[in-house]
Amino acid sequence: QSALTQPASVSGSPGQSITISCTGTSSDVGYYNYVSWYQQHPGKAPKLMIFDVSDRPSGVSNRFSGSKSGNTASLTISGLQAEDEADYYCCSYTRTSTYVFGTGTKVTVL
Amino acid sequence: QVQLVQSGAEVKKPGASVKVSCKASGYTFTGYLMHWVRQAPGQGLEWMGWINPNSGGTNYAQKFQGRVTMTRDTSVSTVYMELSSLRSDDTAVYYCARDSSNWGTYDYWGQGTLVTVSS
Repeated sequence: QSALTQPASVSGSPGQSITISCTGTSSDVGYYNYVSWYQQHPGKAPKLMIFDVSDRPSGVSNRFSGSKSGNTASLTISGLQAEDEADYYCCSYTRTSTYVFGTGTKVTVL
Repeated sequence: QVQLVQSGAEVKKPGASVKVSCKASGYTFTGYLMHWVRQAPGQGLEWMGWINPNSGGTNYAQKFQGRVTMTRDTSVSTVYMELSSLRSDDTAVYYCARDSSNWGTYDYWGQGTLVTVSS
């Protein structure tokens, strides 16, 4: 199972919106609505930001939103803040009943 | 409050085995799948498999089939991940993560356990 494809880096200025893509195949991202997103700060465990493509756990800012079109899922961060600077990973359930993570995206706040 | 507390860092020689524990508290241990995810230094997250603490059933990533064993002890609300025939590229931080939906929603994570494989 190959990792889902994410851009290596995305940057934006405070207050701007950015979008991170997560491209898979018709056997994972494109087949199920079980895509989640995780934020990871250096030296810390990942934190759940979005699940089931677009649902947000309680306590996560509504500046974070998720969507999907075909084999590509996306995470949008609006009103970018300094604290959003971190690595982000997508994850999808697959047709072989396994899970696959994305390659990861480093978000930089300029 | 939900907590997942993992065992401490390990240093192992190539060819050896390592067993990492993850003790759960603050919720019904048998009610949620537990997954294991690892992260090599400077690299991304990699899914290893899951265990059903209720039945003991497991599902492993093909990459680790034959080398990984996930078990649980319900009496102490703890899951274990044992990886054998260690190689240098198994050096990584290993995380346990609770699945709140049975579809890969990892809502709580352990603090991570660094396993270093070196001769």
